[in-house]
Amino acid sequence: GAGVSQSPSNKVTEKGKDVELRCDPISGHTALYWYRQSLGQGLEFLIYFQGNSAPDKSGLPSDRFSAERTGGSVSTLTIQRTQQEDSAVYLCASSLVGGTGLSLTDTQYFGPGTRLTVL
Amino acid sequence: AQKVTQAQTEISVVEKEDVTLDCVYETRDTTYYLFWYKQPPSGELVFLIRRNSFDEQNEISGRYSWNFQKSTSSFNFTITASQVVDSAVYFCALSEARGATNKLIFGTGTLLAVQP
Repeated sequence: GAGVSQSPSNKVTEKGKDVELRCDPISGHTALYWYRQSLGQGLEFLIYFQGNSAPDKSGLPSDRFSAERTGGSVSTLTIQRTQQEDSAVYLCASSLVGGTGLSLTDTQYFGPGTRLTVL
Repeated sequence: AQKVTQAQTEISVVEKEDVTLDCVYETRDTTYYLFWYKQPPSGELVFLIRRNSFDEQNEISGRYSWNFQKSTSSFNFTITASQVVDSAVYFCALSEARGATNKLIFGTGTLLAVQP
């Protein structure tokens, strides 16, 4: 089946503009994650969705960042009033089951990422 | 606090050499997962292996092998008879199974360059 897809693959925007990044998880995967990969910070967790539970937003760097997941499938990461330090590759991952306990933790499969450049 | 350390920033080998990528982790949990991912120049993170904290058996998959040692909190990755296609950045990651969020804590990655 198809893997995780993300769009756009590249986004160039001007400082202060809002951007939306989209993620389509693997069909049937209930858990969805957003990560950010930047030169200075490496790979860092942003937000996690699992089924109908409240998302874990603990990794979002500021209130300019938000994300939603509609219908338990597609997710959109929104960055408002972009800053140059937001420039990074934004990666989405999904897993079959996410939750507590050894038997529930599953493997995260990543999409190709969206490279965001803020001028 | 959880932490993953990949002390080797960059490794360069000649094709057919064996190479070991080191990974040391820190966690207070007794239940956790360890992962290796490969990131080729194309940029996509490719899953290689997952190991849970209760399974210390070493694993071999073709030219790849993994050595998990809880006593030293290490999960090292060896590529035997390296090939140019192995050139990539390799990330080690930790996930604590007890947490509500199975977020991955990544190391800083090791860039492997295999020269022909």
